[in-house]
Amino acid sequence: AQSVTQLDSHVSVSEGTPVLLRCNYSSSYSPSLFWYVQHPNKGLQLLLKYTSAATLVKGINGFEAEFKKSETSFHLTKPSAHMSDAAEYFCVVSDRRYGNKLVFGAGTILRVKS
Amino acid sequence: DADVTQTPRNRITKTGKRIMLECSQTKGHDRMYWYRQDPGLGLQLIYYSFDVKDINKGEISDGYSVSRQAQAKFSLSLESAIPNQTALYFCATSDSASTGELFFGEGSRLTVL
Repeated sequence: AQSVTQLDSHVSVSEGTPVLLRCNYSSSYSPSLFWYVQHPNKGLQLLLKYTSAATLVKGINGFEAEFKKSETSFHLTKPSAHMSDAAEYFCVVSDRRYGNKLVFGAGTILRVKS
Repeated sequence: DADVTQTPRNRITKTGKRIMLECSQTKGHDRMYWYRQDPGLGLQLIYYSFDVKDINKGEISDGYSVSRQAQAKFSLSLESAIPNQTALYFCATSDSASTGELFFGEGSRLTVL
């Protein structure tokens, strides 16, 4: 079965400093991986996705993630945090063998300090 | 207007009451989903529908039922609400041709007293 572990439930950074949100997955086949962002009182929005093309994926708002099969990781990064990045972030895995159903991580709340 | 619309956005009800949450979409997608979000647990799949005649249980379907009235409409019902069904509920859609990207509504916050 597939699973996702987000290694930090909360991350706090200062504005202008790098962001790292960690995600490890378990899938016995070639997965698709996603990062979604949820701002307060809003639905989830796709940030970026990996679907077996380039291992370094660029998303919206300056975020990117690197698929590392050997480490079963898909960490989300951004060089310089902005106040508007404060939100909850979800790492998600999808596997064709399971009908492309998505499995969500528990989420990481990102706080950005001024 | 939002592509995926949920109503109501907020609802407070009492134990034992029947509740329906409605979802409509204008994206033309064939697949629709209902998720439940609880703090620290991420999103859990309640039911999903790949087309009007195809409805499937997700991870946590007990206590819930759904109806796919049309391609664009998918409603979630709690026949007899209980307090541990207090949560934020999301409807989502996807295209069968995609690799799993979901488009979410803004959520329906349900409180069961």
